[in-house]
Amino acid sequence: SQKIEQNSEALNIQEGKTATLTCNYTNYSPAYLQWYRQDPGRGPVFLLLIRENEKEKRKERLKVTFDTTLKQSLFHITASQPADSATYLCALDPNAGNMLTFGGGTRLMVKP
Amino acid sequence: EAGVAQSPRYKIIEKRQSVAFWCNPISGHATLYWYQQILGQGPKLLIQFQNNGVVDDSQLPKDRFSAERLKGVDSTLKIQPAKLEDSAVYLCASSLQGMNTEAFFGQGTRLTVV
Repeated sequence: SQKIEQNSEALNIQEGKTATLTCNYTNYSPAYLQWYRQDPGRGPVFLLLIRENEKEKRKERLKVTFDTTLKQSLFHITASQPADSATYLCALDPNAGNMLTFGGGTRLMVKP
Repeated sequence: EAGVAQSPRYKIIEKRQSVAFWCNPISGHATLYWYQQILGQGPKLLIQFQNNGVVDDSQLPKDRFSAERLKGVDSTLKIQPAKLEDSAVYLCASSLQGMNTEAFFGQGTRLTVV
């Protein structure tokens, strides 16, 4: 069956450290993968998109990698801040029709 | 630019009652999505519209859920009759037509069925 798996346990890190979140998928061959941030009581907000032919994408303190062989994407936040505390969701389009399917999300807690 | 508008923000109903949610997407966005997000889970796609046509509704419980997008702009999602397990946040999102485009989400409607 098709699955998008993110670590359901919260990730707790110290301010200033690098946070690394994982998104694994099975039985998909997505053309691209997206990462979103969701704060409590709010809708998800788009952060980054990475295409299958891109190994790495960066935006300010954010970095995403995409390994289609391992069927995995890693999301990194460098020099993390308490304001980065939120739930991070990965999403992919299984049929190249912009039908976004989301993983369960990982909650990140950055402690000062 | 204005974001995706949803109403109501909160709704509490008894089981077997009906409820409707409204969504106004970002102007010019041809694609509109309705997602259901149960507490602690990721959003689950219920239905996707392209203009006023349905692209995918394979995960929509059609015996009780219905959705329409008249004139390819606003959309409504209805549940009739509601069950306890329908308690969730219902998120509307919109995007430009085509691949590789980000989705813009509304704040959602939190539904509690008692």
